[in-house]
Amino acid sequence: DVKVTQSSRYLVKRTGEKVFLECVQDMDHENMFWYRQDPGLGLRLIYFSYDVKMKEKGDIPEGYSVSREKKERFSLILESASTNQTSMYLCASSLLLEGSYNEQFFGPGTRLTVL
Amino acid sequence: AQSVSQHNHHVILSEAASLELGCNYSYGGTVNLFWYVQYPGQHLQLLLKYFSGDPLVKGIKGFEAEFIKSKFSFNLRKPSVQWSDTAEYFCAVNSPPGGSYIPTFGRGTSLIVHP
Repeated sequence: DVKVTQSSRYLVKRTGEKVFLECVQDMDHENMFWYRQDPGLGLRLIYFSYDVKMKEKGDIPEGYSVSREKKERFSLILESASTNQTSMYLCASSLLLEGSYNEQFFGPGTRLTVL
Repeated sequence: AQSVSQHNHHVILSEAASLELGCNYSYGGTVNLFWYVQYPGQHLQLLLKYFSGDPLVKGIKGFEAEFIKSKFSFNLRKPSVQWSDTAEYFCAVNSPPGGSYIPTFGRGTSLIVHP
C-alpha cells in the first residue's frame, strides 16, 4: 500500500513565524501535491511537483513556497505565517500513467492554527 | 480552466435510503473522473475512477458512478446507504491531453446518514 505521511497532525504557530510542513511518500511516485482544505471550499491546490527540484504553482500559491530535494519528500513552507493560513493542509502523491495523472494518495493532513 | 460543480453541499439521509450526488464539469474534451471519500478523522481515499470504457463504474463499498459525456456529468450513486457512509465526498476531474493534467476538485458534499 502506498503510504503518504505528514510530519505533524496538529500545529500551532504565531503570526510571522516560518512554518515547515513535511510530506513523505514511500511508493516512488513522480508527482506530489500540496492542498489546503477549508469547509465549503473543497481542496485548493497550492503547489505541485512532477520531479525532484521541479515545482509548479497551483491555484493559491501566494504566501507559500515548496521544496523537493528528494523524490520521496515534498515540503511546504509558509515564509511568514498569517491567521488566514489557518487551515487543514493535505499532501498527496500520484503516478504519471499513460500521460495522465492517476489517482492521488493522500496523507492524513496537518491542521495548522496560526494565532 | 476546468471547473467542477457539486450541487449538493449537505445531504442528510436515513439508513437504507438511496443516494445520488451530482458532479458536473466544464471541459468538453477527454476527461478522467474520480470520486474520493473522506470519512471522519481519516485520509481522503479513492472511491472509484473513470478513464475510458464502460461509462458505469463500480467502486468500493457498493458505490457506482455513471459518466454521461453529453451532460458533462459523473454522478455518484448507492442504492442503500449505511450509517458508516457518513463522510465528505469529493468529485475530481482532469483533462489530458488538451486540458490540464492536474485534477480539479469540487467543493465537496457532506453526507450524514442517520441510523
